Amino acid sequence: DGGITQSPKYLFRKEGQNVTLSCEQNLNHDAMYWYRQDPGQGLRLIYYSQIVNDFQKGDIAEGYSVSREKKESFPLTVTSAQKNPTAFYLCASSIGAGGRETQYFGPGTRLLVL
Amino acid sequence: GQQVMQIPQYQHVQEGEDFTTYCNSSTTLSNIQWYKQRPGGHPVFLIQLVKSGEVKKQKRLTFQFGEAKKNSSLHITATQTTDVGTYFCAASGGSYIPTFGRGTSLIVHP
Repeated sequence: DGGITQSPKYLFRKEGQNVTLSCEQNLNHDAMYWYRQDPGQGLRLIYYSQIVNDFQKGDIAEGYSVSREKKESFPLTVTSAQKNPTAFYLCASSIGAGGRETQYFGPGTRLLVL
Repeated sequence: GQQVMQIPQYQHVQEGEDFTTYCNSSTTLSNIQWYKQRPGGHPVFLIQLVKSGEVKKQKRLTFQFGEAKKNSSLHITATQTTDVGTYFCAASGGSYIPTFGRGTSLIVHP
């Protein structure tokens, strides 16, 4: 089946720890995105990548880092510098980058700080 | 990116009533997309509007793009419990990554 997978579904982090959220797609899409969703806040863009080995900051990149070493993978690291990391994290991909491209979302990862 | 305001934040309706959510921008948009997120799920693409004054229908859902390309609406006729979820607009000013509105959560009471 083609699609986007995210793991784990739930993730618990202790304060001061870095954690990495996985995002994999087999849709052969060039562009990938990471969003953070908080209640009543909609989807806020953390980072996006238009092509392998390239990525750009979104609106709320502070405290996060990403890499894009392979076309199908776009992992997100939540660092200890992110002071309020508890949220629902969504990964998405599209054929290309741009405002008219349909985004396909993964099932999401819920991160909880202990 | 674009700034979009989406209202209302929540809407309670009785099953069979109509529902409308609005998405507004202070600047002209290139296009607008609509997504639906079921409770506990992830956003799923519904439709894209590109032309000024465009109207598209999907069964009981009607999507409109304003003449000035600064606003859009999603109207559901005769809501059903399967319509429950949060509806997001995503607006773009051109080649930029689209900006999502805060969403409207629809609650349907049977």
